[in-house]
Amino acid sequence: DAKTTQPTSMDCAEGRAANLPCNHSTISGNEYVYWYRQIHSQGPQYIIHGLKNNETNEMASLIITEDRKSSTLILPHATLRDTAVYYCIVRVATRGAQKLVFGQGTRLTINP
Amino acid sequence: GAVVSQHPSWVICKSGTSVKIECRSLDFQATTMFWYRQFPKQSLMLMATSNEGSKATYEQGVEKDKFLINHASLTLSTLTVTSAHPEDSSFYICSAYSQGAIGGGYTFGSGTRLTVV
Repeated sequence: DAKTTQPTSMDCAEGRAANLPCNHSTISGNEYVYWYRQIHSQGPQYIIHGLKNNETNEMASLIITEDRKSSTLILPHATLRDTAVYYCIVRVATRGAQKLVFGQGTRLTINP
Repeated sequence: GAVVSQHPSWVICKSGTSVKIECRSLDFQATTMFWYRQFPKQSLMLMATSNEGSKATYEQGVEKDKFLINHASLTLSTLTVTSAHPEDSSFYICSAYSQGAIGGGYTFGSGTRLTVV
């Protein structure tokens, strides 16, 4: 299973762009990169996912390097409500089950 | 669309009793459901994967006789913590998967906080 490495914590000023890095150097060609976030005592919330190309939606942008060994989640204009733990996950496919295995994530704190 | 309802949101039970947690996909059919456990200040740990109509696949180290999973329909999976003990106190989260569903196919419930006293 491909592993991910994320910084333990990050801080960002409100209104600025938050750039969260993720390393997944052992990713396979058919594995997706997913990003979720979890606000305290809630279930994870889907943010975005991608395979090769950069992706953008109403919440964030996902930049995947050409070699696919790392990616960056960008929250363009961070607000206080974006304070959460952000998880970068590589989707594995094992015996037909496509489970999401969570790492330790990055605790992002948005400061006023 | 793509809503998963998890019930109850919190429960307190006495040591030695059993607790059932329900996970329902409200507006889609889930071919596969996943159960996670999360201890304070830790990440989510996958416990098991269940497919409708078949036995669940448990992750290494998870006791299948203690954590009974039933996936009777494409919209309902249940997790029963049998003979619960204080060390089973945790935040339990389910996820339902349906290929093509919004959010990359995976939708998470809001979690159940179990406290065993």
